[in-house]
Amino acid sequence: AQTVTQSQPEMSVQEAETVTLSCTYDTSESNYYLFWYKQPPSRQMILVIRQEAYKQQNATENRFSVNFQKAAKSFSLKISDSQLGDTAMYFCAFMKHDSNNNDMRFGAGTRLTVKP
Amino acid sequence: EPEVTQTPSHQVTQMGQEVILRCVPISNHLYFYWYRQILGQKVEFLVSFYNNEISEKSEIFDDQFSVERPDGSNFTLKIRSTKLEDSAMYFCASRGRSQYFGPGTRLTVL
Repeated sequence: AQTVTQSQPEMSVQEAETVTLSCTYDTSESNYYLFWYKQPPSRQMILVIRQEAYKQQNATENRFSVNFQKAAKSFSLKISDSQLGDTAMYFCAFMKHDSNNNDMRFGAGTRLTVKP
Repeated sequence: EPEVTQTPSHQVTQMGQEVILRCVPISNHLYFYWYRQILGQKVEFLVSFYNNEISEKSEIFDDQFSVERPDGSNFTLKIRSTKLEDSAMYFCASRGRSQYFGPGTRLTVL
């Protein structure tokens, strides 16, 4: 079974600074996907970034980038130039690359507060 | 941009009553999912659905739960006899390159 661990329940950062959220996972699969989702107070789940395990290049989306270390099973999220609107829960998630069974497994989340 | 929609946004029900949560996935997606998030906890997988049948379900998805795709657009989650511990946010998702989540239905069981 796959497990996802987020060891930082809460973090804070000053506006315009950079913050890194940690995520580790455990799997015996060789091909899979990793995601970061943002959940603001509205509780909607918003996809932030996606990484395919077979790609060595780290994914980036504007101010968001990941550090994917496959051997270490680590998948951290870096937010640059933090904005007040980045305040939210952030969930790391794992999904097998299996055509029919792609349920997503989530970590417990990290609550990020961006301070003005 | 296409999105997953869910209705209602908030459902209040009495313990023991049946509820049906509705979802309209993104139209060209083929894989559909339900997840649950109890307040303050992580998102948990309930069930996945493909080709008009359940492809995988978690231990949470017991006999009181069922899913259906009654027509070409809707995807429903039925809870037959609700319990207090069913109070949670229920998310529907559909999959293209990634899983896209609906806004959720907040279920409150009194």
